Amino acid sequence: KAGVTQTPRYLIKTRGQQVTLSCSPISGHRSVSWYQQTPGQGLQFLFEYFSETQRNKGNFPGRFSGRQFSNSRSEMNVSTLELGDSALYLCASRWEPAGAPYNEQFFGPGTRLTVL
Amino acid sequence: AQKITQTQPGMFVQEKEAVTLDCTYDTSDPSYGLFWYKQPSSGEMIFLIYQGSYDQQNATEGRYSLNFQKARKSANLVISASQLGDSAMYFCAMETGANNLFFGTGTRLTVIP
Repeated sequence: KAGVTQTPRYLIKTRGQQVTLSCSPISGHRSVSWYQQTPGQGLQFLFEYFSETQRNKGNFPGRFSGRQFSNSRSEMNVSTLELGDSALYLCASRWEPAGAPYNEQFFGPGTRLTVL
Repeated sequence: AQKITQTQPGMFVQEKEAVTLDCTYDTSDPSYGLFWYKQPSSGEMIFLIYQGSYDQQNATEGRYSLNFQKARKSANLVISASQLGDSAMYFCAMETGANNLFFGTGTRLTVIP
């Protein structure tokens, strides 16, 4: 079974631009979460989508948005980029079997975004 | 509020020896899940082991075991028989009913040949 894939792997943008990152979850996984990783703030949760609905949201400004499609693929958008948005953006998916309160998330390789 | 504390920024271990990576947590939610992830220099997060708050026994997965002490709110990762490929960042994380994964700051493990 193929793992979580993220495209593109690397991206360079300038301040003020917008960017869209894509994530394809493992087949059968309906939950997709996004995380931002920076040297200063560490790993922070952005949002989670389940069956095309945002189920949970972290503490990020409205410039960060996302969506999920009917095939569970997800996109994340950042508008009006700032230098501080430079980070590794990780996507994770998981299967949620009935009766299991928590189960592991499987991460993709990440998209490294550099904002100049 | 949730909190995960990893007090060891860096650890060294001799190849084939065992090593313990510390993790303490804090939450007011009685139901939670604790996870350990490994992040090699390539950047991808690799799931290692999971412990549920109501699990009576410590979790084990191959060379990885989780030393879960609920009263002390600690969830230390034990890696037995360290290998050179174990050199990486290790993150402890917690999930509760209301919140997605909340990560600690990580421990960089270096295995010495």
